[in-house]
Amino acid sequence: SQQGEEDPQALSIQEGENATMNCSYKTSINNLQWYRQNSGRGLVHLILIRSNEREKHSGRLRVTLDTSKKSSSLLITASRAADTASYFCATDPKNTPLVFGKGTRLSVIA
Amino acid sequence: GAGVSQSPRYKVAKRGQDVALRCDPISGHVSLFWYQQALGQGPEFLTYFQNEAQLDKSGLPSDRFFAERPEGSVSTLKIQRTQQEDSAVYLCASSLASLGGVDTQYFGPGTRLTVL
Repeated sequence: SQQGEEDPQALSIQEGENATMNCSYKTSINNLQWYRQNSGRGLVHLILIRSNEREKHSGRLRVTLDTSKKSSSLLITASRAADTASYFCATDPKNTPLVFGKGTRLSVIA
Repeated sequence: GAGVSQSPRYKVAKRGQDVALRCDPISGHVSLFWYQQALGQGPEFLTYFQNEAQLDKSGLPSDRFFAERPEGSVSTLKIQRTQQEDSAVYLCASSLASLGGVDTQYFGPGTRLTVL
């Protein structure tokens, strides 16, 4: 069963706009990771945030983590057409492999 | 350096056939994972190896699924007597650390299995 739930399931924005995706999970975690998957491809790791961190940045990506609410958000600023992909959050409940959500399908329209 | 590779990229099997999917992890990576991804869903864990030891196979959906990593590097996922519900993308991932350590999993491109 999948622990993470991304919201929204699908998001369509114009190039240059910001995209925000949310993830909720159920149990305690060591860390939370975000992955991107282009159609027909494998997953690409974007960013990892540890359970004792609240915010992390990487280029145009900003991730927040609220362990009290068991939620995380991924913000992509100044989106580009190349950002079109599915985005998954993945958690690792302590000492178990990654548990993925169902993903958010992002479409960036040029 | 080279990433995780998987072969074949696409496999079509008739129901009842056996298939073998191969994963070449990043050299030196201790941990290797197999995931199954159904259409429109996120990946779901199948099994985990630490070197050659299969430490967790709780995600394997039935005894028709078998995985091995005999020398602690290349891994093979075998599905016997394939069924239509086995149709999915099978993803392999490897990481440098053993499970429990904070580490990134690097994914291969996957094998898309279609069972007719």
